Amino acid sequence: KNEVEQSPQNLTAQEGEFITINCSYSVGISALHWLQQHPGGGIVSLFMLSSGKKKHGRLIATINIQEKHSSLHITASHPRDSAVYICAVRSMYSGGGADGLTFGKGTHLIIQP
Amino acid sequence: DVKVTQSSRYLVKRTGEKVFLECVQDMDHENMFWYRQDPGLGLRLIYFSYDVKMKEKGDIPEGYSVSREKKERFSLILESASTNQTSMYLCASSSPLGLDSPLHFGNGTRLTVT
Repeated sequence: KNEVEQSPQNLTAQEGEFITINCSYSVGISALHWLQQHPGGGIVSLFMLSSGKKKHGRLIATINIQEKHSSLHITASHPRDSAVYICAVRSMYSGGGADGLTFGKGTHLIIQP
Repeated sequence: DVKVTQSSRYLVKRTGEKVFLECVQDMDHENMFWYRQDPGLGLRLIYFSYDVKMKEKGDIPEGYSVSREKKERFSLILESASTNQTSMYLCASSSPLGLDSPLHFGNGTRLTVT
C-alpha cells in the first residue's frame, strides 16, 4: 500500500511569509493531487500533476518523481490561505485505495494577520 | 464551474435510524464517490460508481449502501445508523478523461448519530 506522509502536520505563520508544505509517498505514482479544505468542510482541487511544476496565482506545486516527493508553496501568504491542505496520490500499480487514491492526513495551516 | 451539491450541511440522527445522504452534480460526470473524513485518519473511500446503476465497494463499505439511479445523483444510505458513523461525509465527482481527472467535492455533510 502506498504510504503518503505530509509535513508539517500543523503550521502557524505570519501574513506575508513564504509557506512550504511537503508530501512524500512510497510507491510510484501516475499523478498527485493537492487539495484545500476550508473550515466548514468543502474541498477544492488545487493542482493535479505528474511531473515538473504548476503555478496558479500565489500557489506553486512541484513534484520530483525520482525522490517521490512533492511540495506546495504559497507566496505572500494571507489569512484567507488558512485551511487544511491535503495531498493525494494515484499509485501506478496496486497500492492505493479501491479508487486507486491514497490520501495524506493533511497539513493544518494558520496564517496570522 | 462544476457544482457538487450535498443536500444537508449538518444532520443529527438517532441510533438505528435509516439515513439518506444525497449528492447531485451538474457536469454530467460519470464518476462519483462517497468519502468519510475523521480526525487523524484522513479521507477514506466508502463507495464509488463509474456509471448509472453501477457501484463498487470502497475501502470501508460496511454499514453503508449506495444508489445511483440517475447519472447526476449518488445517494449514500446508512441502513441502521450507529454512533461510530458520526463523521464528515464528502461526495465527489470526476470526468472519465483518464484516471487522473480532478476531483470535484461537495461541501460535506457533518452527521452526528446519538
